[in-house]
Amino acid sequence: AQKVTQAQTEISVVEKEDVTLDCVYETRDTTYYLFWYKQPPSGELVFLIRRNSFDEQNEISGRYSWNFQKSTSSFNFTITASQVVDSAVYFCALSEETSGTYKYIFGTGTRLKVLA
Amino acid sequence: DTGVSQNPRHKITKRGQNVTFRCDPISEHNRLYWYRQTLGQGPEFLTYFQNEAQLEKSRLLSDRFSAERPKGSFSTLEIQRTEQGDSAMYLCASRSPTALYEQYFGPGTRLTVT
Repeated sequence: AQKVTQAQTEISVVEKEDVTLDCVYETRDTTYYLFWYKQPPSGELVFLIRRNSFDEQNEISGRYSWNFQKSTSSFNFTITASQVVDSAVYFCALSEETSGTYKYIFGTGTRLKVLA
Repeated sequence: DTGVSQNPRHKITKRGQNVTFRCDPISEHNRLYWYRQTLGQGPEFLTYFQNEAQLEKSRLLSDRFSAERPKGSFSTLEIQRTEQGDSAMYLCASRSPTALYEQYFGPGTRLTVT
């Protein structure tokens, strides 16, 4: 069955530290997409990245980077030199081709607290 | 492109009352999703529309919940006889028929049942 696991419930770091948020997924599909979203206290979901199952290249965007490894079914997210504004809940999500609807399956989220 | 809008943004209601939420998708998006997010959890899929047809409903969608999308434009989600367990953020998302994996989320409606 499809599933997304974010084992880290909450992480606290001091500003300027690097932090990695883990995401492990389960799927039988060969075609799927993985996502990361940020949810600040306002509640809105902010899209960060989308990655398809055929592209294992790591991606860097400013202080953000993502490591996708199909061999371990992981899609981890690293924030370099964290800032207080990075404090939020981060969700990893999976969308499968065979679902027909392409609905998203979300993990339970990791709350990141960046302390000044 | 004004994005997905949801109204109201916040709703406080007493147990047993009925509530209705509205979602206006991006104009050219004919696919629409509803998700529910309870405290400390990730959003969970509730239902999916393709145009006006409701093609999938989650087991989470009890018989007190009903969703509609008349004319394939805006959608409404109604909860009858609300219970405290219905307190959650209700999120709407839409996508175009060609961008299969790209959903655009609205700001959500936060429901509190007292």
